[in-house]
Amino acid sequence: DVKVTQSSRYLVKRTGEKVFLECVQDMDHENMFWYRQDPGLGLRLIYFSYDVKMKEKGDIPEGYSVSREKKERFSLILESASTNQTSMYLCASTLGVPTDTQYFGPGTRLTVL
Amino acid sequence: GESVGLHLPTLSVQEGDNSIINCAYSNSASDYFIWYKQESGKGPQFIIDIRSNMDKRQGQRVTVLLNKTVKHLSLQIAATQPGDSAVYFCAENPGGGFKTIFGAGTRLFVKA
Repeated sequence: DVKVTQSSRYLVKRTGEKVFLECVQDMDHENMFWYRQDPGLGLRLIYFSYDVKMKEKGDIPEGYSVSREKKERFSLILESASTNQTSMYLCASTLGVPTDTQYFGPGTRLTVL
Repeated sequence: GESVGLHLPTLSVQEGDNSIINCAYSNSASDYFIWYKQESGKGPQFIIDIRSNMDKRQGQRVTVLLNKTVKHLSLQIAATQPGDSAVYFCAENPGGGFKTIFGAGTRLFVKA
C-alpha cells in the first residue's frame, strides 16, 4: 500500500513564525501536491511538484513556498505565518500522469495564533 | 467560472438504505471525475472514478453516474453501513492536467 506521511498531526504557531510542514511518500511517486482544506471550500491546491527540484504554483500560492530536494519528500513552508493560514493542510502524491489516483496523507491541522 | 459544487452539505440515511450524493460541475471540457471519501481524522481516499466517455461505472457497493447533458455527477452507495459515515467529495480534472478541482463535500450520516 502507498503510504503518505506528514510530520505533524497538530501544530500551533504564532503570527510571524516560519513554519515547515513535511510530507514523505514511500512509493516512488513522481508527483506531489500540497492542499489546504477549509470548511465549505473543499481542497485548494497550493503548490505541486512533478519532479525533484521542480515546482509549480497552484491556485493559492501566496504566502507559501515549497521545496523538493528528494523524490520522496515535499515540504511546505510558511515564511511568516498569519492567522488566515490556520487550516488543515493535506499532502498528496500520484505515480505518473496527473490523473493517476491521488494518495493523501492524514493532514496537519495548523493553528496560527 | 469553473466550479464543482454539491447540492446538499449533509445527508442522513438509515443503515441498510441506499445513499445518493449529488454533484454539479460547470466545466464542460472536463473529462475525468473522481469521488473521494474522507473519514474523521484522515485524508481523502479514492473511491471511484469515471471518464467522460462513460455514463456509468460500478465498484464494490458504489456506482457513479455521469450526465454530461446537465453536467451532473452522482455517487450511489448500496446498503449503506455505519462505516460509510464520512465526508464525500467529488472532483474534476479538466484536460488531464495537474489541477484537480474539488467540491466542498457532503457529510453522510448513517443512522443505526
